[in-house]
Parts: sequence; C-alpha cells; structure tokens
Amino acid sequence: DAGVIQSPRHEVTEMGQEVTLRCKPISGHDYLFWYRQTMMRGLELLIYFNNNVPIDDSGMPEDRFSAKMPNASFSTLKIQPSEPRDSAVYFCASSPLLRGPYGYTFGSGTRLTVV
Amino acid sequence: SQQGEEDPQALSIQEGENATMNCSYKTSINNLQWYRQNSGRGLVHLILIRSNEREKHSGRLRVTLDTSKKSSSLLITASRAADTASYFCATDAINQGGKLIFGQGTELSVKP
Repeated sequence: DAGVIQSPRHEVTEMGQEVTLRCKPISGHDYLFWYRQTMMRGLELLIYFNNNVPIDDSGMPEDRFSAKMPNASFSTLKIQPSEPRDSAVYFCASSPLLRGPYGYTFGSGTRLTVV
Repeated sequence: SQQGEEDPQALSIQEGENATMNCSYKTSINNLQWYRQNSGRGLVHLILIRSNEREKHSGRLRVTLDTSKKSSSLLITASRAADTASYFCATDAINQGGKLIFGQGTELSVKP
C-alpha cells in the first residue's frame, strides 16, 4: 500500500480564493482524520470520519471550512474564502480502528500558504 | 486546548547518548501514544501504551506511564543521527470520544 496520499504537497493562493485539499486513505481504514499544524497552535484535530460519515467536526475553526468524504477512498477539505491565518500544514491520517494498537497513519501533508 | 505537554521543548545530544522526553497530561486517559515527525514529513507512530500498562519496549524505545502523576516518558537509547526529529505524545482521553490530542512536541537533535 502506498500509504495515505495527500495532494497537493504545496499550495500557494491569494486571500479570498477557494482552496481544496485532497486525501486518499489507506484501503480498509475506516477512520479518516484531518489535522492542522502551526507553530503557534501545534497539531489540531479538525474533523474525523468513520465509514465516510463525519463523527466530530468540533475542531473546524469556522464556516469557511468544510470537509467531505464521498466514498471510502477519498476525502476533501475545503476552505472558502481562504485567509492568511489559514496558512498551515494540513495532515490527513487514517486508521482501521479508533483505538487500535498501531495508532494513525499520516500522510505527508499539504503546506498551505495564503498571501 | 492541548492535553499533553512535552518537556523539554528542545534537546541536543551526541550520538550514542540516551535521550529522554517527558509528557504530562491533564485528564484520565485510555492510552497514550508517541509519534515522530521528521522535518517536512508526516507523523509516524512509534508506540502505544495503555492506561493499565506501566512500561513498554520497542527496539531502542522505552516508554513509561505513571497515571497517578499523569505523565509519560520516552527513552531512546544509543541515539543515532537518524533519530533527529520532533517527538510528540498524543493522548486518547476518556472524555474525548477516542480522538487523539497531540502535545507541542520535543525537538531532538542528535549530533554525529
């Protein structure tokens, strides 16, 4: 398996533009997580899905952020409109279990810069 | 808010020395996990210790958990330059519905 695949690796966009980040989890993993990492706030859980259904989106900062998982092999995180404070590295992770012995498998992240 | 807090924030040692990182947390947990992050990469799961365990080993890694003090430590023995990375503890707190909450991390530098 190629692991968790995120695209793009880097994204530079202007303030006000729509940004879509993509994630392909590991096949057979029923849980998918979106995290955001910044120097100031560290790693924050934004939302997670179980079997394509959003379970907890309490970490989504505001209505400008939305996430979908239309099928077991694809998820998107959308920011519309984007703002400079959204600049961060966004990670997608997947896991076969919520409390499995092997934790989460993370993708390589998308570094978002909003100018 | 962060559940886990790592100490120290940064650690610099020579190759061959042992590295110890500590994690303190605030609420009762189901388990605690340690992850490594190399610069510019995603996090990699290292080890999980459950609340009813006190110590766990994996290769050169040794993790301890003291639930009475709400703290954990990660020991890397005989460190190598390749161990240079940031190390994060993550807690599965009882009141968090299974979500993993990460600390701020310890940045480890191992000099050859």
